[in-house]
Amino acid sequence: EPEVTQTPSHQVTQMGQEVILRCVPISNHLYFYWYRQILGQKVEFLVSFYNNEISEKSEIFDDQFSVERPDGSNFTLKIRSTKLEDSAMYFCATLDGTRFTDTQYFGPGTRLTVL
Amino acid sequence: AQSVSQHNHHVILSEAASLELGCNYSYGGTVNLFWYVQYPGQHLQLLLKYFSGDPLVKGIKGFEAEFIKSKFSFNLRKPSVQWSDTAEYFCAVNAYSGGGADGLTFGKGTHLIIQP
Repeated sequence: EPEVTQTPSHQVTQMGQEVILRCVPISNHLYFYWYRQILGQKVEFLVSFYNNEISEKSEIFDDQFSVERPDGSNFTLKIRSTKLEDSAMYFCATLDGTRFTDTQYFGPGTRLTVL
Repeated sequence: AQSVSQHNHHVILSEAASLELGCNYSYGGTVNLFWYVQYPGQHLQLLLKYFSGDPLVKGIKGFEAEFIKSKFSFNLRKPSVQWSDTAEYFCAVNAYSGGGADGLTFGKGTHLIIQP
């Protein structure tokens, strides 16, 4: 069964540095998502992306975050200037989008540690 | 905005016991409902989903869930659990009008431990 993949599995960075998290969606899926899970808390929606633009974003997704699909395959989440509170698991998800009852498929996550 | 409550954060059961995990949601409109499972070291996987129709839905690995609209609930059940069901279980919702495409709102999760 096709899977969503994410790289790296673990990223350690210094506060204030930029990080880029990468996701390879399932082929032919049309919708892409980023979620995050701070340790001990719930999985939270960040942003959805469709047709090369953001279709929905949460209040968490402020100006320090951006998403793009630079080469038509990878889907990236950039955090411009990381803060300690950005430490979390970041999950990518993708959805086919051709049926009304589609399912979001999740990747294994990237653990981001900001020091 | 939607919100999801999972009442049990940690559940410990013996093998062959019956399982019911509670999930309640709040939202002003119609929702789609999901249960995801995360086995140790693995990614989130869909157990089952409800969009419309029969409120009793069956998923993988013998799990089922019942949507009770009047109670805003979507409880997950399994008649006889196995050691391999040890995992984190997440209830999630999104707005029906978007199909499955809207961002999901998750509950905090229930950590289920099955003792042999």
